[in-house]
Amino acid sequence: DVVMTQSPLSLPVTLGQPASISCRSSQSLVHSDGNTYLNWFQQRPGQSPRRLIYKVSNRDSGVPDRFSGSGSGTDFTLKISRVEAEDVGVYFCMQGTHWPRTFGPGTKVDIK
Amino acid sequence: EVQLVEFGGGLVQPGGSLRLSCAASGFTFSSYNMNWVRQAPGKGLEWVSHIDKSSSTKYYADSVKGRFTISRDNAKNSLYLQMNSLRDEDTAVYYCMRGYLWGQGTMVTVSS
Repeated sequence: DVVMTQSPLSLPVTLGQPASISCRSSQSLVHSDGNTYLNWFQQRPGQSPRRLIYKVSNRDSGVPDRFSGSGSGTDFTLKISRVEAEDVGVYFCMQGTHWPRTFGPGTKVDIK
Repeated sequence: EVQLVEFGGGLVQPGGSLRLSCAASGFTFSSYNMNWVRQAPGKGLEWVSHIDKSSSTKYYADSVKGRFTISRDNAKNSLYLQMNSLRDEDTAVYYCMRGYLWGQGTMVTVSS
């Protein structure tokens, strides 16, 4: 199975400051169709997860443009340009290239 | 409104069975592959199972293979998860998921 790792696992941030989360996979996530199926999800306290980013860098509808995704192969990053209070929660990466699908352990973002 | 609503969770004894359902609305259900994802209390996300649009392809996590069966009824816009031989470690909130779209989840508790 593809192992997804994230760092840091805990990220205290200052409002208005940038934040960055790293996600690494144990195998390349480049699919045979040429796409890289790396997704980012946000789970706010008490809520269901919500997808923010698909295929590395594509923002879902309604996702603020302060969220951006980048990376390739086995190394990916989610960036928040200026953290807002509503961004508190846990962020998960998930690979959709290989079976079984696998999630990272999650990065808990809270306000300092 | 585009939404997924899960139901059927509850308390069940180890070794017992439960059938979860997910009702889809607001989109053409038959056009989309679907997944079940679970989250144990206080833990991360675990992908459980996938079914394609026509039910011809199904995948399972090793942790549930041989015990859980995914199915769908496109005429009823519904996704199902038949869970047999339940174990304590199956205790979790179970979500149905279609990419960016997640339900609110249904809680399954396996306990004697």
